[in-house]
Amino acid sequence: AQSVTQLDSHVSVSEGTPVLLRCNYSSSYSPSLFWYVQHPNKGLQLLLKYTSAATLVKGINGFEAEFKKSETSFHLTKPSAHMSDAAEYFCVVRMDSSYKLIFGSGTRLLVRP
Amino acid sequence: DAGITQSPRHKVTETGTPVTLRCHQTENHRYMYWYRQDPGHGLRLIHYSYGVKDTDKGEVSDGYSVSRSKTEDFLLTLESATSSQTSVYFCAIWGAGANVLTFGAGSRLTVL
Repeated sequence: AQSVTQLDSHVSVSEGTPVLLRCNYSSSYSPSLFWYVQHPNKGLQLLLKYTSAATLVKGINGFEAEFKKSETSFHLTKPSAHMSDAAEYFCVVRMDSSYKLIFGSGTRLLVRP
Repeated sequence: DAGITQSPRHKVTETGTPVTLRCHQTENHRYMYWYRQDPGHGLRLIHYSYGVKDTDKGEVSDGYSVSRSKTEDFLLTLESATSSQTSVYFCAIWGAGANVLTFGAGSRLTVL
């Protein structure tokens, strides 16, 4: 079955330390992959996308993600967390040629002062 | 919100009543989606459309129907609402140029 798994439902980091949010997918199709962020009581905002160009993708607000086909992963990272990064993050996968886009269950990032 | 309007934004209804949520876009995009967001589940795809009168089921389509009679409008109908359908519903479009999902502001539905 095709799916997308976010391995951590909650991640807590201290301000100024690195962030790692993990995403694995299962697809028989060469996927398009995305990360979205949702701040409390706000809408969904695109952070970055991978669409078979460079495997290391840079996004907004200092975030980046690396597509690793051999590991079927698309982990999101940031070198130094800010308080404003506290939000929920969603990994999204376009599974096949049908334009059906599936979300992971989300990772809530807490940033401690 | 990139020309996407959802209505109503908030609705409270009773179990067993029909409910229709509307998504309107002004940018003539082909692909439109309905998702529901619930704590611990992220966003789950209900139905999506790939053109006028062309729709397909998503992950959680039971209890929902959709219609798209013109490009700009995608309607989500709960024929007989249940408390389990209390949720926040998001409409999205797939952008022709940017190839990303762009979301509406969401519709909060409470079924008592």
